[in-house]
Amino acid sequence: KTQVEQSPQSLVVRQGENCVLQCNYSVTPDNHLRWFKQDTGKGLVSLTVLVDQKDKTSNGRYSATLDKDAKHSTLHITATLLDDTATYICVVGDRGSALGRLHFGAGTQLIVIP
Amino acid sequence: ETAVFQTPNYHVTQVGNEVSFNCKQTLGHDTMYWYKQDSKKLLKIMFSYNNKQLIVNETVPRRFSPQSSDKAHLNLRIKSVEPEDSAVYLCASSRDWGGQDTQYFGPGTRLLVL
Repeated sequence: KTQVEQSPQSLVVRQGENCVLQCNYSVTPDNHLRWFKQDTGKGLVSLTVLVDQKDKTSNGRYSATLDKDAKHSTLHITATLLDDTATYICVVGDRGSALGRLHFGAGTQLIVIP
Repeated sequence: ETAVFQTPNYHVTQVGNEVSFNCKQTLGHDTMYWYKQDSKKLLKIMFSYNNKQLIVNETVPRRFSPQSSDKAHLNLRIKSVEPEDSAVYLCASSRDWGGQDTQYFGPGTRLLVL
């Protein structure tokens, strides 16, 4: 059973618009949550990591929230650029140690058009 | 800037053949990983390797085996490929294993088994 669900599956926005990606999970315990960006044909690049019970992070045009009570995270992309076209993957880590496992979502495919 | 290198980029082979994929990281990290990414973009951990200690995902078929000469290299060997092995294989590394350490990914090796 999938423990990390991402929505929408795909999203098309115009350059300059903002967008929000969602991640819901059932992983327990939930030590941390990380958002990755994967360009087509490339590896994953970490955008941000969220740790606290209710956490917020910001990395340039990317900002993210985490609510562990709701087991829910969002990734906001402000003023999208064509280079933001990629798959965004939500990953939940169940521990902060070597015994931890990472649970991957299937990703949201974002397409930014001119 | 790429710091996790994978070769080859693509590999096409026939059922029953043996293949080997290479991975090298120049980050000085102690831990390396192999993931399989299926057609739906879902990543599944196959192996984690740290200081000669190997953690194997119990769902990985025995025909898969990791091979390491030093902490900067972790290769993946598939003894006798099967059609369901067609996927993208991603190598990653992190400073330490588990927890919140960021994993840095290579660009992947795309395997097609005919």
